[in-house]
Amino acid sequence: RKEVEQDPGPFNVPEGATVAFNCTYSNSASQSFFWYRQDCRKEPKLLMSVYSSGNEDGRFTAQLNRASQYISLLIRDSKLSDSATYLCVVNNNYGQNFVFGPGTRLSVLP
Amino acid sequence: EPEVTQTPSHQVTQMGQEVILRCVPISNHLYFYWYRQILGQKVEFLVSFYNNEISEKSEIFDDQFSVERPDGSNFTLKIRSTKLEDSAMYFCASSDAGATYNSPLHFGNGTRLTVT
Repeated sequence: RKEVEQDPGPFNVPEGATVAFNCTYSNSASQSFFWYRQDCRKEPKLLMSVYSSGNEDGRFTAQLNRASQYISLLIRDSKLSDSATYLCVVNNNYGQNFVFGPGTRLSVLP
Repeated sequence: EPEVTQTPSHQVTQMGQEVILRCVPISNHLYFYWYRQILGQKVEFLVSFYNNEISEKSEIFDDQFSVERPDGSNFTLKIRSTKLEDSAMYFCASSDAGATYNSPLHFGNGTRLTVT
């Protein structure tokens, strides 16, 4: 099983739509979880950390289910500027290492 | 907002040559990382560095790779004898409290390495 897996995508949605991304991780001892976004040929940028109780930042909501080793990201009222690849990132608790998922590409269409 | 800076933005080199990629992490951060991303593929961990030594490295980080923090600000990645398959975007990142403390990575803009 791969360390971090994500919905393969791509997701093509109209402006204003709600879209959800899923991520699973294999290391049950992982403690730190993040969503990053990456624009084409650019560096990953932190979108939000994911906390145990779930957290929201404007139109973005992240959820963590430790029992199922599952993380989700919900984007409401999608904007054209949300078009990017969304990366699920989890720490490898055996060391100082963050593991990236393969990413899910989102295209928001006018 | 403090930034991680990387130079050069693009490096072209011939196979077998040595390259040094440079990074200036955020000044109060203690953990430093190199990742790479081959075009169209996922971001892959290379090495982490803390307290002036390597704390973890991946299988990719073989004997041709080395890292150094030569002074209080720079963090470098050296590839001794480049191969065609080393062509990728190399990202430097730093964090203040490390992977187990929910402290996120802050990335530089990357260096695109092209080996011909």
